[in-house]
Amino acid sequence: DSGVTQTPKHLITATGQRVTLRCSPRSGDLSVYWYQQSLDQGLQFLIQYYNGEERAKGNILERFSAQQFPDLHSELNLSSLELGDSALYFCASSAERDTEAFFGQGTRLTVV
Amino acid sequence: GESVGLHLPTLSVQEGDNSIINCAYSNSASDYFIWYKQESGKGPQFIIDIRSNMDKRQGQRVTVLLNKTVKHLSLQIAATQPGDSAVYFCAERISGNMLTFGGGTRLMVKP
Repeated sequence: DSGVTQTPKHLITATGQRVTLRCSPRSGDLSVYWYQQSLDQGLQFLIQYYNGEERAKGNILERFSAQQFPDLHSELNLSSLELGDSALYFCASSAERDTEAFFGQGTRLTVV
Repeated sequence: GESVGLHLPTLSVQEGDNSIINCAYSNSASDYFIWYKQESGKGPQFIIDIRSNMDKRQGQRVTVLLNKTVKHLSLQIAATQPGDSAVYFCAERISGNMLTFGGGTRLMVKP
């Protein structure tokens, strides 16, 4: 158990809908990262927050947004969903710059 | 495009043999590297890391080698076991605490 909790584990929704994925980082970790992993693909960095503020942005679509709350949990909002958005979405957290990021078990999103 | 790694090649090894998984990176400004293991249906799991001021680091049955001259990273697993079967990703940290992952290598261990 990495200490990073993601909910829900599975999500099935229709095209055009909006969903929210939730991540609770490890206790004390200030950084939260979101990644997307499509079938048999690598991990694509979406966005990072550090102590409530956006720190870095990757290949995140305009239909997607995220935020980190004062209690350090984070939410990834995906809207106007398309079939191609079906993927595993991972959250990771880390304490400082030069330390490893710990990953949650992911949310498997299926858009039908 | 991605600056690290290859597009999910597969490495098949015999149980008990040593495994070597390779990763190329392109950004010379990267100063921190990590290897992750991802089993089916699970999140990536940290294996070992190395900073750019080092060229070798050893863990339990694993060794990471960093060659900054050719921008190459490798993970060596000694006495590979069936439980080592997974996809292995290398990752680099360039700036802003962002990890960039390679495409991953699938390791299959034959009993």
